[in-house]
Formats: sequence, structure tokens, C-alpha cells
Amino acid sequence: QLQLQESGPGLVKPSETLSLTCIVSGGSVSSSSYYWGWVRQPPGKGLEWIGDIYYTGSTYYNPSLRSRVTIFVDKSKNQFSLKLSSLTAADTAVYYCARRQGIPKDSFDIWGQGTMVTVSS
Amino acid sequence: DIQMTQSPSTLSASVGDRVTITCRASESISSWLAWYQQKPGKAPKFLIYKASSLESGVPSRFSGSGSGTEFTLTISSLQPDDFATYYCQHYSSYPYTFGQGTKLEIK
Repeated sequence: QLQLQESGPGLVKPSETLSLTCIVSGGSVSSSSYYWGWVRQPPGKGLEWIGDIYYTGSTYYNPSLRSRVTIFVDKSKNQFSLKLSSLTAADTAVYYCARRQGIPKDSFDIWGQGTMVTVSS
Repeated sequence: DIQMTQSPSTLSASVGDRVTITCRASESISSWLAWYQQKPGKAPKFLIYKASSLESGVPSRFSGSGSGTEFTLTISSLQPDDFATYYCQHYSSYPYTFGQGTKLEIK
């Protein structure tokens, strides 16, 4: 059974870069037809798609974050990662990694438990 | 970007009730719509894809319908485990966006 687990710092300073990693177990990030993505949720608010990466390496980012986001895969470690730069308090959120299947589902069917990230000095 | 609007924002209901949540898209998304359930402190759970297809393992009391710009999620007979927040999400084009959520509360 595929499982995802986020890891990273819980507290980051404004203007710094957030780095989060999602460890994939019970499956492979190299599996065909899957996307590996990130979704965030500010406290008490709704869900926001950040972006994802296809098994081929193609990336898809939310235009609202594109200038600050990088998602990449490390096949040797079976994990994928998120970097978000120039942080502000508005980036405070629970960050989820998730697997997205292709058509017809094309939805996030497996999620990590989430990791809370606070941006504060 | 395609905007997704859910209604109501909050819904109070009792065990055994039939409830319906509506999700409207700002433009046609065909049937490229998913529904999720989220409980406090937990990750979302995938329920329905392509507007009406039930994900494996999801109870049959959940159903989805609609196409174009208007969609519904129906729970035929509420169970105690169903009280949660529900989100729709389109996948018609990038960026994928979610509705603001509907909180289903116990009356």
C-alpha cells in the first residue's frame, strides 16, 4: 500500500526558502502515469494546489506561486521535494504531498498526513 | 483560472438525513470534477472522480452528479462518520482549484 510522509522544518523565517520532502513507501516515484504533487491549507481555510511533477519530470505549477516554486524528484531516494522561496506569513499552512493519477481520475487519491509550516521571525 | 463555488458553506443535519452539497464552476469543466472529505487535523480523503464515479472503498451512500458548471454531492443517509468538511476540485485545466468547502455539522 502506497504511503506518503512529509518532512521538513516547522518554522521558517520570512524571506527564506522552505524545503519539504515527501518520502514514498510501498511504491515508486518512477511509476508511469502518476503525478506527485503538493497542496497546502492555511489554518482554518481551504485547499490550494501548489503544483506537481509527472514521472517523466514535467512540472506543473499554480501560476500564483510559479515564480517561487520548484518541485523535483529524487528517484534514487524514492522521494520528491518542494522548494518555496521568498516566504511571507501568508505561506503559513499545512503542506500536504499527494499522488495524482492521470485521466480519468486525475485527482489526488493518496495523501500524506501533512506538515504544519509557520513563517515567523 | 476557473473558480469553484460551493453551497452552502455550512450544513446542519441529523443522522439518517439525505443531504446535498452543490459545487458550481465559473466555466464549463465537462465532468472533470472530484470530491473530497476532510476531518479536523486529517488529510483530505478522495471520494469521487469524474463527477459521479465512486472511488474504490467509498460507501455507496455517497454519490455525485452533474456536468458542465453545476455538480452535486449527495449522501443518501447520513452516518456519524460523515460529519466533516467536503471539497470539490476541478481538473479541467491548470491551475486545478478547489471549492471553499462545505462543513457538514450535526444538528
